[in-house]
Amino acid sequence: GENVEQHPSTLSVQEGDSAVIKCTYSDSASNYFPWYKQELGKGPQLIIDIRSNVGEKKDQRIAVTLNKTAKHFSLHITETQPEDSAVYFCAAIPSNDYKLSFGAGTTVTVRA
Amino acid sequence: SAVISQKPSRDICQRGTSLTIQCQVDSQVTMMFWYRQQPGQSLTLIATANQGSEATYESGFVIDKFPISRPNLTFSTLTVSNMSPEDSSIYLCSVEASQIEQFFGPGTRLTVL
Repeated sequence: GENVEQHPSTLSVQEGDSAVIKCTYSDSASNYFPWYKQELGKGPQLIIDIRSNVGEKKDQRIAVTLNKTAKHFSLHITETQPEDSAVYFCAAIPSNDYKLSFGAGTTVTVRA
Repeated sequence: SAVISQKPSRDICQRGTSLTIQCQVDSQVTMMFWYRQQPGQSLTLIATANQGSEATYESGFVIDKFPISRPNLTFSTLTVSNMSPEDSSIYLCSVEASQIEQFFGPGTRLTVL
């Protein structure tokens, strides 16, 4: 099955700086890569996703990049704000499946 | 997207008892899933709730411990049976909306004493 590794496990950044989270996956058949943000006491929220036919996708201060050859994808948050503090999870789904395989999560803290 | 609600939002239960968690979605969906999130951990898929047939369980999860119902395309329940403190977790339902995207409910925070 798919194995997703996520780094770092914790990330502390100064407000206004950028944050980058990286994930690698094992199954070359994976073709859908969502990112979820989970705030304390809430369920995971889908914030951005990318499909394997695209190398990069942006949505305001958030961007995701995908390198299919190296089997890794990354989340970039620019101009971080205190409300970006949360746990972020990457995930992957192989093309012949519907089940999400999650990374271990990254706790992001934005210092004011 | 889809709007998903769960009941209860949290509960504290005694060991040996059972708790049924409800998941309601605001539109008809084919795929519904149940996850467990242990404290400080990632999400683990328990089962896929199939409408009109038995749920499909992942390795390590069995129907006797986690019976699931899916009476229609907008509702599902997960029961945590014969609970022990090790069952203390957040239980989340999710749905697959259009084009493979999955959306999660707010979760049920369960503490077993």
